[in-house]
Amino acid sequence: GAGVSQSPSNKVTEKGKDVELRCDPISGHTALYWYRQSLGQGLEFLIYFQGNSAPDKSGLPSDRFSAERTGGSVSTLTIQRTQQEDSAVYLCASSLTGGSGGYTFGSGTRLTVV
Amino acid sequence: AQTVTQSQPEMSVQEAETVTLSCTYDTSESDYYLFWYKQPPSRQMILVIRQEAYKQQNATENRFSVNFQKAAKSFSLKISDSQLGDAAMYFCAERSNTDKLIFGTGTRLQVFP
Repeated sequence: GAGVSQSPSNKVTEKGKDVELRCDPISGHTALYWYRQSLGQGLEFLIYFQGNSAPDKSGLPSDRFSAERTGGSVSTLTIQRTQQEDSAVYLCASSLTGGSGGYTFGSGTRLTVV
Repeated sequence: AQTVTQSQPEMSVQEAETVTLSCTYDTSESDYYLFWYKQPPSRQMILVIRQEAYKQQNATENRFSVNFQKAAKSFSLKISDSQLGDAAMYFCAERSNTDKLIFGTGTRLQVFP
């Protein structure tokens, strides 16, 4: 597609429920990234997928967080047993590998845990 | 480890004036890239300008330019002829061989008419 698409744009969930956030990267972009942005804060790196390589999961805050990327394209970020501190905007980005370009970001999913 | 520091949580500028946003970074890599992103209330992160570390010439994109001081590890953004539409959060970021983009905490820019 023309840009990075994320869904849903907003999600309200009850504490303890599981949620899935979806990201459709730009076609042909081999790298995909998830970031978390808490209110008024910068972007916190969560996870990075590069082609068929094992993902870099070093930023995931706990084992309640996981992500998959199927067929080298669409990615799903799953948060199990959500907590109020998980409330944030979750941003996805994609890029070409090894280039000097920056990332192209989606508009994010605002997650609110009540 | 890579770190990016933005020491100005908020800045303001009068319309048509010039403002400079500061950024310092730390990396052990010799080859890296630096970026400024703009985030308006829509949440969309928009790439404003980028700089390759191996290039001495400062990058320029229309009203946006950078002052890249490699030895000092400084990468400031200058916005000339500020417009109301420039009001947003601005994030400085670094990308090295790990391919991860590391962000600073951002500077909120207000533009007054």
